[in-house]
This record gives sequence, C-alpha cells and structure tokens, in this order.
Amino acid sequence: QQQVKQSPQSLIVQKGGIPIINCAYENTAFDYFPWYQQFPGKGPALLIAIRPDVSEKKEGRFTISFNKSAKQFSLHIMDSQPGDSATYFCAASVANSGGSNYKLTFGKGTLLTVNP
Amino acid sequence: DAGITQSPRHKVTETGTPVTLRCHQTENHRYMYWYRQDPGHGLRLIHYSYGVKDTDKGEVSDGYSVSRSKTEDFLLTLESATSSQTSVYFCAISERSRGEKLFFGSGTQLSVL
Repeated sequence: QQQVKQSPQSLIVQKGGIPIINCAYENTAFDYFPWYQQFPGKGPALLIAIRPDVSEKKEGRFTISFNKSAKQFSLHIMDSQPGDSATYFCAASVANSGGSNYKLTFGKGTLLTVNP
Repeated sequence: DAGITQSPRHKVTETGTPVTLRCHQTENHRYMYWYRQDPGHGLRLIHYSYGVKDTDKGEVSDGYSVSRSKTEDFLLTLESATSSQTSVYFCAISERSRGEKLFFGSGTQLSVL
C-alpha cells in the first residue's frame, strides 16, 4: 500500500514562478516529513524537513506547509530557477513494529521543469 | 557524497545468477538503508540496518537479503536475480534513528537480462 501520495507527477513552470508539490498521508504515526531533491544521475539529497508541531518551515526559497488535520504537506519553491529543475520526493518517517527504529517512506516523486 | 561509496556503479547480469551490491561508508553512522528506484514507483525501501548484525525488512524485501558484519559495510544480495530486479539501487546512511537526514550514495544501475 502506498503510504505517502504525491502529486503532481510532473510540473512545468516558468522562471520566477512558484511550483507547489503536494503530499498526503494516512498514517497518523508519521512524525517527520522531509523533502528530497534529486538531479539526474545523482542520489537524492535532503532539501528541507518539518515536524508536525509546526505549520510552516522556510529555508531560503523553499517552504514546507503542513496541515496536520488534513494529513497533508506541500513544498513551495519561491522565485523558481532553471537550476531547480529536478525530481522532488516527499517522505514520512514511521517506527517499526517494535517502536525502536524508524524507516523513511517516500512518495513517487515529482519531476519539476523550470523553463528560462 | 557524505563518505558513501556504492560498488559496482553499473552491472549487467543474467537471470538466475546471484548478485551482491556493496555500500561502504566512512562516516561511522549507525543506520544504513537500501532503496530501489523505479519509474512510477519512486524510492522503495528494501532492507535497513540499525547496527552491526541488526537488520530489518522494508516494503519490497522479497528476493533480497542483506548483511552487515561491520559498521562501514552494508551488503545487498539478490539470491537469484530476476528481470523485475532491474533497477537503480541506492544506499543511504544516517546517524539518527528516526529516518532523519539520510545521505544517499550515487547509486548502482543493475540490469538483469
């Protein structure tokens, strides 16, 4: 079963636009929500992360908005640039059955293209 | 890439053969993970390790086994490779337990013919 649903699959914006990528989850035990950025031929890299005790977090041009009641979170990229063109993954962390170790579950990814 | 080396970077093998992928880290991080990445599926966890000789299954563990005999090395073995295991495999490490701040290697492209 897919525990983290990400949309859209792909997104094209013009330079300076504000792409928004959304993720939804069902498991209320998730308590850590990161976003990863991946360039072609590279491994994913942590971009920004949030915990459910805050509704928004900003780091530079990247913002996570978190809605605990709706079980949704989203990534906004302000003043997007062609260099932001990449695949973005949302994720959520949940403990194993013993509660002692956590694993990260990823969404399916969004391919973002920022045109000049 | 945060002191993570995956080997080999590329491998082509035949159906039914065993394959072992290696992840080596120089960061002394406790937690190590193996993911596979496929179009339309994103990143899916195969197995992970929370210490030497301590491992657990992920969501797509069938057909895979892992071993971790020392902190720096995490091996992924395909016992008898199948075409459905053609994928890009990523190793990741973390010093924190809650799936936080994963650092990924550059990946291994595996083709099973």
